[in-house]
Amino acid sequence: AQSVTQPDIHITVSEGASLELRCNYSYGATPYLFWYVQSPGQGLQLLLKYFSGDTLVQGIKGFEAEFKRSQSSFNLRKPSVHWSDAAEYFCAVVIFDFGNEKLTFGTGTRLTIIP
Amino acid sequence: DGGITQSPKYLFRKEGQNVTLSCEQNLNHDAMYWYRQDPGQGLRLIYYSQIVNDFQKGDIAEGYSVSREKKESFPLTVTSAQKNPTAFYLCASSIPGFLAQPQHFGDGTRLSIL
Repeated sequence: AQSVTQPDIHITVSEGASLELRCNYSYGATPYLFWYVQSPGQGLQLLLKYFSGDTLVQGIKGFEAEFKRSQSSFNLRKPSVHWSDAAEYFCAVVIFDFGNEKLTFGTGTRLTIIP
Repeated sequence: DGGITQSPKYLFRKEGQNVTLSCEQNLNHDAMYWYRQDPGQGLRLIYYSQIVNDFQKGDIAEGYSVSREKKESFPLTVTSAQKNPTAFYLCASSIPGFLAQPQHFGDGTRLSIL
């Protein structure tokens, strides 16, 4: 079955350090890919999306993600994290299956920032 | 500013009671969605609607019902048939193009059982 996996449940990073959050999907073709961020008790906000074209996409808040077809991955990166980046991050994938579109979210990665 | 408003923010349900969660959007989006979020499970789709007076079941529709009488509104009723309703419920909307379009989310309603 097609799915999306976020292998890291919880990551702790020092403020100012670099960040990489992992996302892997299983699907034969190229899916549509998204990263969302959720602050506690709030809804999700779109960080960036990949539909086609340049495999390195830039998003809001200084985030970027790289689509790697050979690894079925769409990892989220930020060169220097800020305390305000502490949140939960969700990777999402749209897969096309016999004319139907299905959006699947990963289980999320909780990011903690330490001073 | 345009956005999605969910109310109430917190809701308590007694055993055997139906409760309705409100979702209103002023983004002029045709498509609207309801998700359930449980710790460690990500978001799961309950129902979605691509146009007024039409909606489809998602992955976990049992015990829930919806209506779409107006473009702006997509209320979700958690019925007594939903045996484990305690969760965080999120409403979202998007422009046509269905799920391939990025979704805008409300701030959620947290439902608990008394």
